[in-house]
Amino acid sequence: EPEVTQTPSHQVTQMGQEVILRCVPISNHLYFYWYRQILGQKVEFLVSFYNNEISEKSEIFDDQFSVERPDGSNFTLKIRSTKLEDSAMYFCASREPGQGRGYTFGSGTRLTVV
Amino acid sequence: GESVGLHLPTLSVQEGDNSIINCAYSNSASDYFIWYKQESGKGPQFIIDIRSNMDKRQGQRVTVLLNKTVKHLSLQIAATQPGDSAVYFCAELGMDSSYKLIFGSGTRLLVRP
Repeated sequence: EPEVTQTPSHQVTQMGQEVILRCVPISNHLYFYWYRQILGQKVEFLVSFYNNEISEKSEIFDDQFSVERPDGSNFTLKIRSTKLEDSAMYFCASREPGQGRGYTFGSGTRLTVV
Repeated sequence: GESVGLHLPTLSVQEGDNSIINCAYSNSASDYFIWYKQESGKGPQFIIDIRSNMDKRQGQRVTVLLNKTVKHLSLQIAATQPGDSAVYFCAELGMDSSYKLIFGSGTRLLVRP
């Protein structure tokens, strides 16, 4: 069964440092997403990406965040200057074209900012 | 504003019993409501969904009920097994072009042997 792959599984970084979280979506999917889950809380939408541009972003996704699809397979989330409150699980997801509910999530990257 | 929420944070059931997990939502415009299961250290895993024009849908050992009158969604798991222990989230599929998911706050299901 096709999977969404995320690396690394766990990243520890110092406050103020830049981090890049990586994702390989399912190959025939065209819609890509990042969600975040602070420990013990619900999963929150960050950003959606289609046709090489952001289609929607949440209030959380401020100027410190950016996304990129640098080649045909990777989808990255960059946080330029991490804050303690950025510590969370970050999930990448991709979706089949024409299937609103055909989401597949990756296993997540646990980001710890110290 | 939009919100999807849950009534019970933790549900403990005996193995073999049926489980019912509830969810309330406030945005009536969504086309799909979805249940996800999240095991420790993993991403959300799709269980079952229901379209807004239906009130019941059955899968293997799971049933989702949608009551649009009171904006209530429930997940029923028959003959609950230890492997069902996880956190369950309801989610609402946004109607805008991004099809983002709006998640509820989760219910932890504990299955006692």
